[in-house]
Amino acid sequence: EAGVTQFPSHSVIEKGQTVTLRCDPISGHDNLYWYRRVMGKEIKFLLHFVKESKQDESGMPNNRFLAERTGGTYSTLKVQPAELEDSGVYFCASSQGGGRVQETQYFGPGTRLLVL
Amino acid sequence: AQSVTQLGSHVSVSEGALVLLRCNYSSSVPPYLFWYVQYPNQGLQLLLKYTTGATLVKGINGFEAEFKKSETSFHLTKPSAHMSDAAEYFCALSTGRRALTFGSGTRLQVQP
Repeated sequence: EAGVTQFPSHSVIEKGQTVTLRCDPISGHDNLYWYRRVMGKEIKFLLHFVKESKQDESGMPNNRFLAERTGGTYSTLKVQPAELEDSGVYFCASSQGGGRVQETQYFGPGTRLLVL
Repeated sequence: AQSVTQLGSHVSVSEGALVLLRCNYSSSVPPYLFWYVQYPNQGLQLLLKYTTGATLVKGINGFEAEFKKSETSFHLTKPSAHMSDAAEYFCALSTGRRALTFGSGTRLQVQP
């Protein structure tokens, strides 16, 4: 069974440009999460999808970030326009669903974003 | 609000020595606690988790952790370190909102 995949693995862009990150969760997983780790700091929650609906987007830093999950499968996270402080590693995770709060979240390898 | 504190951003041990990575948490409700490991160029992999029941939790690769409510701790241990244990370790907490709250991570170095 394939794990969570993320594309691209690395992205280097200039301030003001747009970047789109993609996450493919494990097949059949209803829950999809985005997290971010800024250099030297802790991994922080961005948002949570249940199927195609945004369950919780309380961690999104501002309106330059837009996440979608069309059809309840893969998800994209767009940053427009990118700022220097957006640099970091963006992780995607998925879990099966079913109502148990302690279910395991499976993480992808992350996308390393550098904004110059 | 909840938080997770990992004491020591870097820990170095000799091969064969005890591994102890510290994690303390703060939560107003009973937490679910997790340890994840990240090897270079890989995603986070679950080592073990505490939900309810037995406070001593055994995970993969010989790791275990003990939930101590009185000390608000969930320290990770392994009796004998192996070179392959070198990685970054993250303690995390969930209180039912489903999102994980992470500590800042501890990088474990294993010396030959």
